[in-house]
Amino acid sequence: GAGVSQTPSNKVTEKGKYVELRCDPISGHTALYWYRQSLGQGPEFLIYFQGTGAADDSGLPNDRFFAVRPEGSVSTLKIQRTERGDSAVYLCASSPGSGADTQYFGPGTRLTVL
Amino acid sequence: LAKTTQPISMDSYEGQEVNITCSHNNIATNDYITWYQQFPSQGPRFIIQGYKTKVTNEVASLFIPADRKSSTLSLPRVSLSDTAVYYCLVGPGGGGGNKLTFGTGTQLKVEL
Repeated sequence: GAGVSQTPSNKVTEKGKYVELRCDPISGHTALYWYRQSLGQGPEFLIYFQGTGAADDSGLPNDRFFAVRPEGSVSTLKIQRTERGDSAVYLCASSPGSGADTQYFGPGTRLTVL
Repeated sequence: LAKTTQPISMDSYEGQEVNITCSHNNIATNDYITWYQQFPSQGPRFIIQGYKTKVTNEVASLFIPADRKSSTLSLPRVSLSDTAVYYCLVGPGGGGGNKLTFGTGTQLKVEL
């Protein structure tokens, strides 16, 4: 079946604006993760969902960042009052959540804050 | 979480075998070793995972010595398409919810 998809692929916004990034996980995967990757660095964990609930949000940098997964499938990462330092590639991954470690990543959304 | 150290970059030629070694001196008893590959403008892709000795799949082999303080990813007969960043990760195996901790990875460049 289809892999993890993310939209948009690119997002350019101005400092102070609000953005939403969407992730469609692999069908049937109960675990969903968000990561952020800056240039030249490895991905950095932000938040993990098991079903509809955020099981671990310890990686969110501050309260401007928020994520939801209301029906246990699609997830939206929301960033308020964007700052230039938020510019990065935001990656989403999903896994079966039944004990498997393998996470399947989407292509990411490149966010640029001007 | 155990910290990993791997070379920043490596160069190779098509048809060669490439070995990338990762050090993880503080690996815990329940930690597994996992390698991911990342191409530009793509998310990381799982390559291989192991706990001890040797694991082989259709893509690579993973060698883990008895003390598990290091591991070596072996890519046989690389091609240009193997040019990518390779990440070594160490963490608990099994169970959903394991957030992955990536380092800066090894940039492998394969030339003709």
